[in-house]
Amino acid sequence: DTGVSQDPRHKITKRGQNVTFRCDPISEHNRLYWYRQTLGQGPEFLTYFQNEAQLEKSRLLSDRFSAERPKGSFSTLEIQRTEQGDSAMYLCASSLWGNTEAFFGQGTRLTVV
Amino acid sequence: GENVEQHPSTLSVQEGDSAVIKCTYSDSASNYFPWYKQELGKRPQLIIDIRSNVGEKKDQRIAVTLNKTAKHFSLHITETQPEDSAVYFCAAKRLTGGGNKLTFGTGTQLKVEL
Repeated sequence: DTGVSQDPRHKITKRGQNVTFRCDPISEHNRLYWYRQTLGQGPEFLTYFQNEAQLEKSRLLSDRFSAERPKGSFSTLEIQRTEQGDSAMYLCASSLWGNTEAFFGQGTRLTVV
Repeated sequence: GENVEQHPSTLSVQEGDSAVIKCTYSDSASNYFPWYKQELGKRPQLIIDIRSNVGEKKDQRIAVTLNKTAKHFSLHITETQPEDSAVYFCAAKRLTGGGNKLTFGTGTQLKVEL
């Protein structure tokens, strides 16, 4: 499968723990996005990378959230001191420079108990 | 920032009927409008998109129309089939000068009944 892949698919964690998710975009895509989707809602933008540079962050991305894309390839999203409100599906998407279509991964479903 | 509203939230049609989902956007600078289909537990997948320089685009049984003046765009599915059952999301984006984020509507659960 040469699409966007995310790992893990599911994560259950206790409140207060830290979690890290990984996204591997389509190999030639230089743009990578993170979105959060809660039940019954559309995906909400969190942050965006062009190559290794993080160019935009949403106000939804509190200080407990950090994202990296160290070599312009895969990306990680870390949530520190998780809260129950962080429970959601975290979606990664990638697109090619100059190409408008964003391809989504299957997401990581986070449950904070 | 951009705000996208989507209606209806649920839509039930008989197989073979047409389905129409409507969205409005607030940012007049948005110029790219994709529609995504998301089946339960699966990733959102692009089914059709339109840029603001055209008013209509069609791909087999699906079509999208755009009214820039009214800031409305709609998805039309004809001859619906059970496999069309899914959640559909509209979205809006500025292709230049405003970042690259998609702003999504809240989704429409389409159910095609036999």
